[in-house]
Amino acid sequence: GNSVTQMEGPVTLSEEAFLTINCTYTATGYPSLFWYVQYPGEGLQLLLKATKADDKGSNKGFEATYRKETTSFHLEKGSVQVSDSAVYFCALSDRNNQGGKLIFGQGTELSVKP
Amino acid sequence: NAGVTQTPKFQVLKTGQSMTLQCAQDMNHEYMSWYRQDPGMGLRLIHYSVGAGITDQGEVPNGYNVSRSTTEDFPLRLLSAAPSQTSVYFCASSKPGQLNTEAFFGQGTRLTVV
Repeated sequence: GNSVTQMEGPVTLSEEAFLTINCTYTATGYPSLFWYVQYPGEGLQLLLKATKADDKGSNKGFEATYRKETTSFHLEKGSVQVSDSAVYFCALSDRNNQGGKLIFGQGTELSVKP
Repeated sequence: NAGVTQTPKFQVLKTGQSMTLQCAQDMNHEYMSWYRQDPGMGLRLIHYSVGAGITDQGEVPNGYNVSRSTTEDFPLRLLSAAPSQTSVYFCASSKPGQLNTEAFFGQGTRLTVV
Protein backbone atom coordinates (compact mmCIF):
# COMPACT_ATOMS: atom_id res chain seq x y z
CA GLY A 1 0.00 0.00 0.00
CA ASN A 2 0.88 3.64 -0.08
CA SER A 3 3.20 5.01 2.58
CA VAL A 4 5.27 8.06 3.53
CA THR A 5 8.58 8.09 5.39
CA GLN A 6 10.10 11.20 6.94
CA MET A 7 13.42 11.80 8.58
CA GLU A 8 13.28 11.40 12.31
CA GLY A 9 13.35 14.37 14.60
CA PRO A 10 13.60 16.39 16.59
CA VAL A 11 15.67 18.79 14.53
CA THR A 12 17.27 21.74 16.32
CA LEU A 13 18.69 24.64 14.31
CA SER A 14 19.94 28.11 14.97
CA GLU A 15 18.10 31.05 13.45
CA GLU A 16 19.06 31.69 9.79
CA ALA A 17 20.31 28.12 9.29
CA PHE A 18 19.38 26.09 6.23
CA LEU A 19 16.65 23.50 6.70
CA THR A 20 16.08 20.21 4.93
CA ILE A 21 13.51 17.66 6.04
CA ASN A 22 13.60 14.52 3.95
CA CYS A 23 10.44 12.79 2.75
CA THR A 24 10.13 9.74 0.54
CA TYR A 25 7.00 7.94 -0.50
CA THR A 26 5.73 4.66 -1.89
CA ALA A 27 2.63 4.83 -4.04
CA THR A 28 1.01 3.35 -7.10
CA GLY A 29 0.34 5.77 -9.90
CA TYR A 30 0.87 9.48 -9.49
CA PRO A 31 -0.11 10.75 -6.06
CA SER A 32 -0.41 14.36 -4.96
CA LEU A 33 2.15 15.38 -2.31
CA PHE A 34 1.81 17.80 0.58
CA TRP A 35 3.61 19.36 3.48
CA TYR A 36 1.45 20.26 6.47
CA VAL A 37 2.64 22.21 9.51
CA GLN A 38 1.36 21.98 13.07
CA TYR A 39 2.17 24.87 15.41
CA PRO A 40 2.02 24.16 19.14
CA GLY A 41 -1.52 23.57 20.37
CA GLU A 42 -3.06 23.89 16.92
CA GLY A 43 -4.39 21.72 14.14
CA LEU A 44 -2.56 21.06 10.91
CA GLN A 45 -2.50 23.57 8.11
CA LEU A 46 -1.34 23.17 4.54
CA LEU A 47 2.12 24.59 3.91
CA LEU A 48 2.58 23.63 0.25
CA LYS A 49 1.65 21.01 -2.29
CA ALA A 50 2.57 19.55 -5.67
CA THR A 51 0.25 17.52 -7.86
CA LYS A 52 2.54 16.20 -10.60
CA ALA A 53 6.14 15.22 -11.21
CA ASP A 54 8.69 18.08 -11.29
CA ASP A 55 6.18 20.52 -9.77
CA LYS A 56 7.64 22.77 -7.09
CA GLY A 57 5.42 23.85 -4.24
CA SER A 58 6.40 26.95 -2.30
CA ASN A 59 5.05 29.08 0.53
CA LYS A 60 6.49 31.32 3.27
CA GLY A 61 10.05 30.69 2.05
CA PHE A 62 9.62 26.90 2.14
CA GLU A 63 9.81 24.84 -1.01
CA ALA A 64 9.65 21.21 -2.09
CA THR A 65 9.97 19.56 -5.51
CA TYR A 66 8.04 16.45 -6.56
CA ARG A 67 10.74 14.03 -7.73
CA LYS A 68 9.21 10.93 -9.24
CA GLU A 69 12.55 9.34 -10.14
CA THR A 70 13.61 9.31 -6.48
CA THR A 71 10.05 9.20 -5.04
CA SER A 72 10.90 12.16 -2.83
CA PHE A 73 9.42 15.48 -1.73
CA HIS A 74 12.05 17.04 0.54
CA LEU A 75 11.18 20.27 2.35
CA GLU A 76 13.75 23.09 2.29
CA LYS A 77 14.09 26.61 3.60
CA GLY A 78 17.12 28.79 3.14
CA SER A 79 16.97 30.68 6.44
CA VAL A 80 14.77 29.51 9.30
CA GLN A 81 13.25 31.74 11.95
CA VAL A 82 12.21 31.06 15.53
CA SER A 83 8.61 31.30 14.35
CA ASP A 84 9.16 28.24 12.12
CA SER A 85 9.35 26.02 15.20
CA ALA A 86 6.61 23.45 14.66
CA VAL A 87 5.97 19.86 13.62
CA TYR A 88 6.10 19.23 9.87
CA PHE A 89 4.22 16.38 8.19
CA CYS A 90 4.73 15.05 4.70
CA ALA A 91 1.58 13.49 3.22
CA LEU A 92 0.15 12.07 0.03
CA SER A 93 -3.24 11.48 -1.49
CA ASP A 94 -3.97 9.22 -4.41
CA ARG A 95 -4.55 10.68 -7.84
CA ASN A 96 -8.31 10.43 -7.63
CA ASN A 97 -8.46 12.02 -4.19
CA GLN A 98 -11.45 9.83 -3.40
CA GLY A 99 -12.70 10.71 0.07
CA GLY A 100 -9.95 13.25 0.64
CA LYS A 101 -7.91 10.57 2.38
CA LEU A 102 -4.37 11.50 3.34
CA ILE A 103 -1.46 9.24 4.28
CA PHE A 104 0.99 10.95 6.61
CA GLY A 105 4.59 10.48 7.55
CA GLN A 106 5.58 10.34 11.21
CA GLY A 107 6.16 14.07 11.52
CA THR A 108 9.39 15.94 12.18
CA GLU A 109 9.62 18.36 15.07
CA LEU A 110 11.67 21.46 14.30
CA SER A 111 13.01 23.72 17.03
CA VAL A 112 14.73 26.95 16.00
CA LYS A 113 16.86 28.70 18.61
CA PRO A 114 17.62 32.44 18.53
CA ASN B 1 -14.21 32.28 9.72
CA ALA B 2 -15.07 29.20 11.80
CA GLY B 3 -13.76 26.51 9.39
CA VAL B 4 -13.64 23.14 11.20
CA THR B 5 -14.74 23.18 14.83
CA GLN B 6 -14.09 20.31 17.22
CA THR B 7 -15.47 19.87 20.71
CA PRO B 8 -14.41 19.23 23.37
CA LYS B 9 -10.74 20.28 23.33
CA PHE B 10 -9.83 18.02 26.25
CA GLN B 11 -11.52 14.96 27.74
CA VAL B 12 -10.68 12.36 30.36
CA LEU B 13 -12.64 9.11 30.29
CA LYS B 14 -12.63 6.01 32.40
CA THR B 15 -12.14 2.65 30.72
CA GLY B 16 -15.46 1.38 29.41
CA GLN B 17 -17.16 4.77 29.17
CA SER B 18 -18.58 5.99 25.89
CA MET B 19 -18.49 9.45 24.40
CA THR B 20 -18.91 11.40 21.19
CA LEU B 21 -16.37 13.77 19.72
CA GLN B 22 -18.08 16.49 17.75
CA CYS B 23 -16.92 17.95 14.46
CA ALA B 24 -18.63 20.61 12.39
CA GLN B 25 -17.55 22.50 9.27
CA ASP B 26 -19.11 25.53 7.65
CA MET B 27 -17.38 25.38 4.25
CA ASN B 28 -19.92 23.07 2.57
CA HIS B 29 -17.21 20.45 2.03
CA GLU B 30 -18.33 17.04 0.84
CA TYR B 31 -15.42 15.13 2.34
CA MET B 32 -14.83 14.76 6.06
CA SER B 33 -12.38 12.56 7.96
CA TRP B 34 -11.23 11.61 11.43
CA TYR B 35 -7.57 11.00 12.26
CA ARG B 36 -5.75 10.10 15.41
CA GLN B 37 -2.27 11.42 16.15
CA ASP B 38 0.12 9.34 18.22
CA PRO B 39 3.81 10.05 18.93
CA GLY B 40 6.11 8.72 16.23
CA MET B 41 3.20 7.55 14.08
CA GLY B 42 1.96 10.66 12.39
CA LEU B 43 -1.78 10.84 11.74
CA ARG B 44 -3.74 7.72 10.93
CA LEU B 45 -7.16 7.68 9.30
CA ILE B 46 -10.00 6.29 11.42
CA HIS B 47 -13.12 6.87 9.29
CA TYR B 48 -14.06 9.10 6.44
CA SER B 49 -17.14 10.28 4.57
CA VAL B 50 -17.63 11.39 0.97
CA GLY B 51 -21.02 12.96 1.65
CA ALA B 52 -24.11 12.90 3.83
CA GLY B 53 -25.22 9.32 4.47
CA ILE B 54 -21.96 7.75 3.22
CA THR B 55 -19.12 6.65 5.49
CA ASP B 56 -16.27 4.18 5.22
CA GLN B 57 -13.45 2.78 7.32
CA GLY B 58 -9.92 4.02 7.31
CA GLU B 59 -6.74 2.42 8.58
CA VAL B 60 -7.67 2.12 12.29
CA PRO B 61 -11.49 1.93 12.62
CA ASN B 62 -11.86 -0.58 15.47
CA GLY B 63 -13.59 0.80 18.54
CA TYR B 64 -15.02 3.82 16.71
CA ASN B 65 -18.32 4.55 14.98
CA VAL B 66 -19.31 7.44 12.74
CA SER B 67 -22.39 8.70 10.98
CA ARG B 68 -22.99 11.62 8.63
CA SER B 69 -26.57 12.82 8.66
CA THR B 70 -25.75 16.32 7.39
CA THR B 71 -23.02 17.85 5.26
CA GLU B 72 -21.85 19.95 8.20
CA ASP B 73 -21.47 17.41 10.99
CA PHE B 74 -19.37 14.28 11.38
CA PRO B 75 -19.35 12.97 14.97
CA LEU B 76 -16.99 10.24 16.14
CA ARG B 77 -18.28 7.82 18.77
CA LEU B 78 -16.16 5.78 21.13
CA LEU B 79 -18.34 2.86 22.18
CA SER B 80 -16.32 1.56 25.13
CA ALA B 81 -13.17 3.56 25.75
CA ALA B 82 -9.86 1.75 26.20
CA PRO B 83 -6.45 3.12 27.28
CA SER B 84 -5.18 2.39 23.74
CA GLN B 85 -7.54 5.12 22.52
CA THR B 86 -5.63 7.77 24.44
CA SER B 87 -4.61 10.09 21.61
CA VAL B 88 -5.18 13.43 19.95
CA TYR B 89 -8.05 13.33 17.48
CA PHE B 90 -8.33 15.58 14.46
CA CYS B 91 -11.28 16.13 12.17
CA ALA B 92 -10.66 17.37 8.63
CA SER B 93 -12.75 18.45 5.68
CA SER B 94 -12.03 19.01 2.01
CA LYS B 95 -13.64 19.28 -1.42
CA PRO B 96 -13.54 16.64 -4.13
CA GLY B 97 -11.31 16.91 -7.14
CA GLN B 98 -7.58 16.62 -7.70
CA LEU B 99 -6.99 20.37 -7.64
CA ASN B 100 -9.10 21.00 -4.55
CA THR B 101 -7.09 18.79 -2.30
CA GLU B 102 -6.32 21.06 0.64
CA ALA B 103 -7.67 19.54 3.83
CA PHE B 104 -8.75 21.88 6.61
CA PHE B 105 -8.22 20.61 10.14
CA GLY B 106 -9.85 21.35 13.45
CA GLN B 107 -7.75 22.18 16.50
CA GLY B 108 -7.99 18.67 17.88
CA THR B 109 -9.40 16.86 20.88
CA ARG B 110 -6.92 15.51 23.40
CA LEU B 111 -8.44 12.36 24.90
CA THR B 112 -7.06 10.48 27.88
CA VAL B 113 -8.53 7.12 28.89
CA VAL B 114 -7.63 5.99 32.40
